[in-house]
Amino acid sequence: NAGVTQTPKFQVLKTGQSMTLQCAQDMNHNSMYWYRQDPGMGLRLIYYSASEGTTDKGEVPNGYNVSRLNKREFSLRLESAAPSQTSVYFCASSDQAGGQPQHFGDGTRLSIL
Amino acid sequence: GQQVMQIPQYQHVQEGEDFTTYCNSSTTLSNIQWYKQRPGGHPVFLIQLVKSGEVKKQKRLTFQFGEAKKNSSLHITATQTTDVGTYFCAGKRNNDMRFGAGTRLTVKP
Repeated sequence: NAGVTQTPKFQVLKTGQSMTLQCAQDMNHNSMYWYRQDPGMGLRLIYYSASEGTTDKGEVPNGYNVSRLNKREFSLRLESAAPSQTSVYFCASSDQAGGQPQHFGDGTRLSIL
Repeated sequence: GQQVMQIPQYQHVQEGEDFTTYCNSSTTLSNIQWYKQRPGGHPVFLIQLVKSGEVKKQKRLTFQFGEAKKNSSLHITATQTTDVGTYFCAGKRNNDMRFGAGTRLTVKP
């Protein structure tokens, strides 16, 4: 079982470029999450999806959009990347509606110049 | 808004010594979660605590949830080099879950 798969693993962008981070889970989980992790700050929730077709803003949604394409896939889009969005991005899933994230992907290390 | 503070930020121990990290919330929590993240890795869910005063054990790890449901601790007995990593707590209140900044544990063999 792959669990939660994120692509790409690394990416460098220039300011103003756009990009979509992909996430897929094969555990038939309803809930999916996008977090960013910055040094010394723990994880901060960007967006959350309780089920296919629904998304909710988290703690730091500005500058991001998400799409829950189907039950398996939850993508994160940066429309116009800014240096402040340099971070490690983690996708996660849970079998509990409104529950805590249980399984994380390996992360995407994104640098914006 | 809700804040979750975690101390210490860093802890370096000799292998075999005990280790404890503490998590404190500014508000009463519905539940609290603990995660471990190895260097360069992703967070791994360890446990969830829900009840006031709850204590759970996983081998050498002991997790406690305070009576007021505003604080929690993770204690590791006789640390091993495999315990190296950053331990995060995450407290949930209503539909809002916030992570602490983590305690980074290093273990000297």
